[in-house]
This record gives sequence, C-alpha cells and structure tokens, in this order.
Amino acid sequence: EPEVTQTPSHQVTQMGQEVILRCVPISNHLYFYWYRQILGQKVEFLVSFYNNEISEKSEIFDDQFSVERPDGSNFTLKIRSTKLEDSAMYFCLDRFLYGYTFGSGTRLTVV
Amino acid sequence: QKEVEQNSGPLSVPEGAIASLNCTYSDRGSQSFFWYRQYSGKSPELIMFIYSNGDKEDGRFTAQLNKASQYVSLLIRDSQPSDSATYLCAVTVTGGGNKLTFGTGTQLKVEL
Repeated sequence: EPEVTQTPSHQVTQMGQEVILRCVPISNHLYFYWYRQILGQKVEFLVSFYNNEISEKSEIFDDQFSVERPDGSNFTLKIRSTKLEDSAMYFCLDRFLYGYTFGSGTRLTVV
Repeated sequence: QKEVEQNSGPLSVPEGAIASLNCTYSDRGSQSFFWYRQYSGKSPELIMFIYSNGDKEDGRFTAQLNKASQYVSLLIRDSQPSDSATYLCAVTVTGGGNKLTFGTGTQLKVEL
C-alpha cells in the first residue's frame, strides 16, 4: 500500500498561534479527508475535499480551520488560532478504490 | 446521530486462540465497512473491508457482515502477540459524502 506522508510528525505550539499541517497524498486521487484523534478518543471527521473543493465539513471544522491544496499536490490543514483542546493527532486520509489510507499523522500539542 | 459502537475492552486472548471483535452501527444506510488496526501512537492501518452480507477471509482475518442485524465482526485466527493493538471499525453511509464514521475501537491483548 502506498504511503501518505504528513509533516511535521510532531508540532508543539503556543495557544493562539497558527499552525499548518501538511499531507502529501497519493497522486491522481481526488478524495481526501482530514480527521483528528484526541488522546484516548475516537477518530473524528473534520472535512472532506473532492476535486480541490470542500465537499463536507463537521461541526468541529469551524472558522478557525481551513483546508487547501495550494500547489495541486500537497494538501494542508490550517488552524488559525490554536486552543488547548486542539491538541490531538491529525490524520489525512486518501481514498482509493478499495478503501482509505491514513497518513502518517501529525501530533499537535498546544501549550 | 449516526453511531458506530464497539466494546472498548480490553479483550484478552491467549496466543493461538481466536479473537472475536464486534461492531454495531445505527444507520441502515451504511454501505461499506472497514476494520483498521492501530498500534499505540501510530496511524491506523487498513486490515479489511467488506460490502456484502456474509464472510470475507484474508489470511488469518475474517470479516463478517450482517446488515439485517446491523453488525460487523472481525475474527483473528491463531492470534499472535503482534496482533495486540486497538481495532477500529468504520462505516460509510449513504449521503454521507463517503466519509468514514469510526467506533471508539476495541483494545486487543494477546497473551503468551
């Protein structure tokens, strides 16, 4: 199974700062998703992205979140003003014919 | 609220035994069903997917789907200590934009 790479693997940021999480999906795929997993909790849907546009977003994905595909390959999730409760593992998912591949994940710690 | 339910465990089985993991879902429109394995601190890895009622086997793993009863299960034969992990059940639903909805996961411990 091809890899979906995320950077950075771990980021520590101060509350109120902006962070940008990056994902390099498998090329030529059209469907991408961002999820997060707070420690000890379930994997939660944030946003889906199809053909370079947001197709669906959850209640979690409020105005402080944004998603882009700035150069046609990398896929970013921006959190404008981080809160303590944003601390979590963030995963991008790449949908392929037979399932969904998780990215390697970014552990975000807000202090 | 479209829910996916799993027993959080831990489920302990001896090495070589069959581990049985269960998952129920609330939305009858659910179409596709996935099992992921997640080691602590790592991203989930896809084990199997199943779309149709019945059983699907892949090596030591068998997924079972019963849409009438709204449950999907994963059997792991000849369990190994390396199978110790959290197993996540995920479903997609009609009209859900093909996003995955996850259960909380079941922690499996395979003991020597």
